Amino acid sequence: QVQLVQSGAEVKKPGSSVKVSCKASGGTFSSYTISWVRQAPGQGLEWMGRIIPILGIANYAQKFQGRVTITADKSTSTAYMELSSLRSEDTAVYYCARGTVGRDGFEYFQHWGQGTLVTVSS
Amino acid sequence: SYVLTQPPSVSVAPGQTARITCGGNNIGSKSVHWYQQKPGQAPVLVVYDDSDRPSGIPERFSGSNSGNTATLTISRVEAGDEADYYCQVWDSSSDHSGVFGGGTKLTVL
Repeated sequence: QVQLVQSGAEVKKPGSSVKVSCKASGGTFSSYTISWVRQAPGQGLEWMGRIIPILGIANYAQKFQGRVTITADKSTSTAYMELSSLRSEDTAVYYCARGTVGRDGFEYFQHWGQGTLVTVSS
Repeated sequence: SYVLTQPPSVSVAPGQTARITCGGNNIGSKSVHWYQQKPGQAPVLVVYDDSDRPSGIPERFSGSNSGNTATLTISRVEAGDEADYYCQVWDSSSDHSGVFGGGTKLTVL
């Protein structure tokens, strides 16, 4: 079955960067998109961006443009999310999720990683 | 950007029916998907494409979507259904992005 396994928790200083990985198994990695969704403590889900591994093309939510980079390594079936210029408000659990195309041609998320807690603190 | 509006909380007694709404401009023209999230866990897809259920999700979970409101209905609510529920659509108009509602906390009394 499909599994998404993410890297472990991180503690970062303000102004630094963090890179979180998401390794996929069970299924053809390049056939699906991978999105990144974050959840600040006590808050809701927030979509950050996604990548289409077969094309190597990523697009990002306007809020994160210029600060987030999503990449994928097809040889290892792993997606990465790098967030730079970290601030305390970036403290959150970051999830990767595999996109499945729905009836309207756009994606929903049936498979999720376990989440990675990123703490930004001086 | 596209905005989805959910009530912050819904309360229901066990065995009753819970209805969680998700409002958006002409949301009936979009496919709506619903996720259940329990504390400390990743979200779980419970309804996709307005009203379809993934395998393993009980028939008690159903969905509808028309006009400016989509609804997740949970029949014969059980204590184990207590969780946060999020609706999700795709906004193809601006930066082509995923959009989540703010979430609804379902409390089973």
